[in-house]
Amino acid sequence: GAGVSQSPRYKVAKRGQDVALRCDPISGHVSLFWYQQALGQGPEFLTYFQNEAQLDKSGLPSDRFFAERPEGSVSTLKIQRTQQEDSAVYLCASSLSSQADTQYFGPGTRLTVL
Amino acid sequence: AQSVTQPDIHITVSEGASLELRCNYSYGATPYLFWYVQSPGQGLQLLLKYFSGDTLVQGIKGFEAEFKRSQSSFNLRKPSVHWSDAAEYFCAVGVINTGFQKLVFGTGTRLLVSP
Repeated sequence: GAGVSQSPRYKVAKRGQDVALRCDPISGHVSLFWYQQALGQGPEFLTYFQNEAQLDKSGLPSDRFFAERPEGSVSTLKIQRTQQEDSAVYLCASSLSSQADTQYFGPGTRLTVL
Repeated sequence: AQSVTQPDIHITVSEGASLELRCNYSYGATPYLFWYVQSPGQGLQLLLKYFSGDTLVQGIKGFEAEFKRSQSSFNLRKPSVHWSDAAEYFCAVGVINTGFQKLVFGTGTRLLVSP
């Protein structure tokens, strides 16, 4: 079956622009995660959704970052007034349940802020 | 706090030789442990996972890992490396929050395979 998909795959933004990154999880997966992977680093947790409820947003770096999953399937990560330090790969993952379960990752969106 | 240490940033192995990638974790409870592989421009692919039971875990592509509680380690091994194994490898621990599990990753080990 289809895996997790993300779009766009690459995004270049000028500093100060707003961007929106989309994630399509595996159909029927309850849990959805966003991670940020800086160059040369491992992914770091940003936020978690269980269906449409955002249960944890403790990893969001600032209030310029906002995520939503209004219908419990597709999710969007929005970054307002982008800064150079926002340049990273943004990974989305989904899992079948909310308990300890395997997370399946999408290919990521590479964001470059000039 | 929970953390994962991968002490080797780069490792070079000759094709056909054996491989061991090191991973140490810090977590107060029984850990859920994972190894993921990331090829250039690709997302993370799960190689194997340990939740409970047998401490020697078999994964895809001929990889295995052994959980050693006394050493807080979960090292990844492969008896004979293929050129296609060249990639970045990440070890992760699953941290249980209020009703869900998030992953805490190490900084990764880049595997280079020489002819």
